[in-house]
Amino acid sequence: DGGITQSPKYLFRKEGQNVTLSCEQNLNHDAMYWYRQDPGQGLRLIYYSQIVNDFQKGDIAEGYSVSREKKESFPLTVTSAQKNPTAFYLCASSTRGADTGELFFGEGSRLTVL
Amino acid sequence: SQKIEQNSEALNIQEGKTATLTCNYTNYSPAYLQWYRQDPGRGPVFLLLIRENEKEKRKERLKVTFDTTLKQSLFHITASQPADSATYLCAHNTGTASKLTFGTGTRLQVTL
Repeated sequence: DGGITQSPKYLFRKEGQNVTLSCEQNLNHDAMYWYRQDPGQGLRLIYYSQIVNDFQKGDIAEGYSVSREKKESFPLTVTSAQKNPTAFYLCASSTRGADTGELFFGEGSRLTVL
Repeated sequence: SQKIEQNSEALNIQEGKTATLTCNYTNYSPAYLQWYRQDPGRGPVFLLLIRENEKEKRKERLKVTFDTTLKQSLFHITASQPADSATYLCAHNTGTASKLTFGTGTRLQVTL
């Protein structure tokens, strides 16, 4: 089955540690995205990539980093510079160039900083 | 800047009734609006898209309307069922498919 796989589903981190969230898709989509979701707030865009080896900052990129070395993979690193990293992180993909931009989401990764 | 607003209060309705959720936006009219369903602890799932030149879109028991004069989209679920209980998100894009802006979502609870 085609889809997006995020791992791990739950992650605990001590303050000062970097953590990397995995996102893999087999939908052959060019575009991939990372969103953050907090209670009472809408999904906020962290980073997005429309093509391999290229990515752009979203609305809340500070304290995060990404890479896009393969079409299928778009890992997100939450660095120690992120002041409030506890959140639900969602990865998504879409067909590049489509004017509708329907997103396909993974099941999310919940990060808790202890 | 453009904002997209959904009622943050939960909507409670009885099974069999029609649920109506509202999505309002400020400033300019988006090229289209999308609606997603999200269950607790899960990723959102795409439901429907409506373009600015469309008044209404239907899919099974779902109907979406788009009123550019009121700057509003309405999302209807007819003959609602307990399985429809979830949070519904609206999102808009102004033509560039790269970035969607999401509302906070409205939680729907359908009771027997």
